[in-house]
Amino acid sequence: GENVEQHPSTLSVQEGDSAVIKCTYSDSASNYFPWYKQELGKGPQLIIDIRSNVGEKKDQRIAVTLNKTAKHFSLHITETQPEDSAVYFCAADGGTSYGKLTFGQGTILTVHP
Amino acid sequence: DAGITQSPRHKVTETGTPVTLRCHQTENHRYMYWYRQDPGHGLRLIHYSYGVKDTDKGEVSDGYSVSRSKTEDFLLTLESATSSQTSVYFCAISDGQGGEKLFFGSGTQLSVL
Repeated sequence: GENVEQHPSTLSVQEGDSAVIKCTYSDSASNYFPWYKQELGKGPQLIIDIRSNVGEKKDQRIAVTLNKTAKHFSLHITETQPEDSAVYFCAADGGTSYGKLTFGQGTILTVHP
Repeated sequence: DAGITQSPRHKVTETGTPVTLRCHQTENHRYMYWYRQDPGHGLRLIHYSYGVKDTDKGEVSDGYSVSRSKTEDFLLTLESATSSQTSVYFCAISDGQGGEKLFFGSGTQLSVL
């Protein structure tokens, strides 16, 4: 089955800096790579996703890049704000259908004012 | 959280007792999932459903069973709870159209003593 590794496990940045979180996956059949943000006491919320036929996708201050050859994808957050502080999870679908996602271990992002 | 209600939000139980967690959705989505979240493991799929009375196992299904008698309800049962099942349980739904965008509930914190 699919295996997703996520790094770093914790990331501390100053407000206004950029943050980058990286994930690698094992199954070349994976086609869908979402990123979720989880705030304390809440469920994960989808913030951006990318499919295997696209190399990069942006949505305001966040972007995701995908390198299928190397089997890794990354989340980039620019101009970080304190409200970006949360746990971020990457995931991959392993080529399966219907939401059977394999998640990374999570990254605790702290943005200091 | 996208019309998803999990109950109870918190539960403390003793080893060996049966426990049922409920997920109720108002979105009329076809696909429903149960994930567990543990430190260092991200989220792991327990069971999922692709329609009424249609369910299948996920990555960590041992010790769990599910039922879905109505579109809106998906039940997760621990027949005889063990301490290793202490976790936060999340229900998720998907409309299955390209199907992977999951929307999560707020979670149930379960402690097995």
